[in-house]
Amino acid sequence: GNSVTQMEGPVTLSEEAFLTINCTYTATGYPSLFWYVQYPGEGLQLLLKATKADDKGSNKGFEATYRKETTSFHLEKGSVQVSDSAVYFCALSVAGGTSYGKLTFGQGTILTVHP
Amino acid sequence: DTEVTQTPKHLVMGMTNKKSLKCEQHMGHRAMYWYKQKAKKPPELMFVYSYEKLSINESVPSRFSPECPNSSLLNLHLHALQPEDSALYLCASSPGGLAASTDTQYFGPGTRLTVL
Repeated sequence: GNSVTQMEGPVTLSEEAFLTINCTYTATGYPSLFWYVQYPGEGLQLLLKATKADDKGSNKGFEATYRKETTSFHLEKGSVQVSDSAVYFCALSVAGGTSYGKLTFGQGTILTVHP
Repeated sequence: DTEVTQTPKHLVMGMTNKKSLKCEQHMGHRAMYWYKQKAKKPPELMFVYSYEKLSINESVPSRFSPECPNSSLLNLHLHALQPEDSALYLCASSPGGLAASTDTQYFGPGTRLTVL
């Protein structure tokens, strides 16, 4: 089956620190990979995505590279801000069969950034 | 317009009540979803509509009844819920039918449901 493993949180950083949130996956088939962010009291927003190996998704200073050889999609940001405090979900989607493009989520990582 | 709207934002109901949640999108998306999210957990898929037909029911109890009146609207009818059904209910939509794997799902802000 399909699964996503995210680094355990919570993660607490000071403003301007470097952020890495690890994400690894297993999938039957060829997945697309996503990072979603959920701010307090809100729904999920797509942060970035990658649909094939070696693709790099980027948005708002966040980056993640689809690494097929290590089955990973780690999220990075060079300098975090207080406004980045949120829950981050790694997810995958595989077309066809019983997966029908269903999103499989990791458990989520709570990020808190202090001034 | 890349927005999915949901009403109400908050809902409190008793175990004998009947209520409905509403979701709307005007992006021309052909797949719409209901998710349930408990605190500090990822969303759990409940239902998927593709081209206004119910395509997926993830073994959800019959006290939850989805409806898709047209391509822009999705409802979730609630009846005889239990306190453990209290959660954030999220609606999402995506461009292709039955969600091509590369499609982004766009989420609404959710309805916070409390069952007393």
